[in-house]
Amino acid sequence: GAVVSQHPSWVICKSGTSVKIECRSLDFQATTMFWYRQFPKQSLMLMATSNEGSKATYEQGVEKDKFLINHASLTLSTLTVTSAHPEDSSFYICSASVQGLTGELFFGEGSRLTVL
Amino acid sequence: GQQVMQIPQYQHVQEGEDFTTYCNSSTTLSNIQWYKQRPGGHPVFLIQLVKSGEVKKQKRLTFQFGEAKKNSSLHITATQTTDVGTYFCAGDFGNEKLTFGTGTRLTIIP
Repeated sequence: GAVVSQHPSWVICKSGTSVKIECRSLDFQATTMFWYRQFPKQSLMLMATSNEGSKATYEQGVEKDKFLINHASLTLSTLTVTSAHPEDSSFYICSASVQGLTGELFFGEGSRLTVL
Repeated sequence: GQQVMQIPQYQHVQEGEDFTTYCNSSTTLSNIQWYKQRPGGHPVFLIQLVKSGEVKKQKRLTFQFGEAKKNSSLHITATQTTDVGTYFCAGDFGNEKLTFGTGTRLTIIP
């Protein structure tokens, strides 16, 4: 199957700083990637749909100025958590589909963010 | 809004017992997918169901899609310790994204 890689796997930062998470499709081109947030023992909440070469589409309630998404190439999407605060601590996961927007999703390994 | 609910939220079974999780949608789905997330891991695709009343099997796993395409189930026969994890359904409401269910966390008692 297709491979999606995410980096870093975990990151600890101070409150007020910004953190960038990368999501790469290693063996296929992804015009669309999805970013999720997952709280402990809870479901995957879609944050935004990342579109190559255009603006991301954010879900209702997700602050686009807080969670900056850039999808500059067909294999890389980035999520930047700006001015992070402890409540931003979470597990962030990206995914991409090879066949259409609602085909089988391939997930990255996830990034665990802890904001002190 | 469009929601996908799963029951039960948690299930503890003795190794060798069967397990079933149910997924219910508020409206008709174009298709439904199932994923498994091991503790500390990321979701991994299991299956996709598209047709009304569809039944698919993968070894000890049986997946069903309801006639009205609003509900689905995953049944595991004779659970093993490797089945531990959280099982999520994900529905396609025809809005170019998948909506994940609330998940069912399965633990196995050896």
